[in-house]
Amino acid sequence: GAVVSQHPSRVICKSGTSVKIECRSLDFQATTMFWYRQFPKQSLMLMATSNEGSKATYEQGVEKDKFLINHASLTLSTLTVTSAHPEDSSFYICSATRGGEETQYFGPGTRLLVL
Amino acid sequence: AQSVTQLGSHVSVSEGALVLLRCNYSSSVPPYLFWYVQYPNQGLQLLLKYTSAATLVKGINGFEAEFKKSETSFHLTKPSAHMSDAAEYFCAVTDNNDMRFGAGTRLTVKP
Repeated sequence: GAVVSQHPSRVICKSGTSVKIECRSLDFQATTMFWYRQFPKQSLMLMATSNEGSKATYEQGVEKDKFLINHASLTLSTLTVTSAHPEDSSFYICSATRGGEETQYFGPGTRLLVL
Repeated sequence: AQSVTQLGSHVSVSEGALVLLRCNYSSSVPPYLFWYVQYPNQGLQLLLKYTSAATLVKGINGFEAEFKKSETSFHLTKPSAHMSDAAEYFCAVTDNNDMRFGAGTRLTVKP
């Protein structure tokens, strides 16, 4: 159990367009979902934490208007990169926790390339 | 605030040799500690976790880690490396949903 999926796994878009990434918990209800960004050969950087039905909490330095997070249900969170630019190209990974647990279960990641 | 430090960004071992990946933590409260593995272009897979039960934690793929409070360490070991163990390994500590990762250690396994 505790499977998290992401869609798409890879996306290429033009500069100025918006891209939506979905994160789903497939076999459990996720009390909290997290969005991370990972640059090549680096560790994960937490972007934001979201709870179902409430506004996401963004980490310092992360633009909330740039990276829109919606957590509409206990199994789905979306990250929308608005007006994407080449510097937004990165590997985006989501994770989720289930009630009462500290363990985060990670999705397979989405590689975004902005041309 | 809690944090983890992974000593050695790159570890290389021969197939069949002992694997030792080091992790030291800093936490003001009893920590929850994790080891995750990441294969290229994939997300993180949980190897094992320490949640204040047994200090020696056994995980998947033959890995284990020992929590040593006196040394504030949570090193990851495997008695005999396999080629398929080549990956990036991350140590993490969490407190109330705030998870902090180490910089990662890339494990290379030589034939």
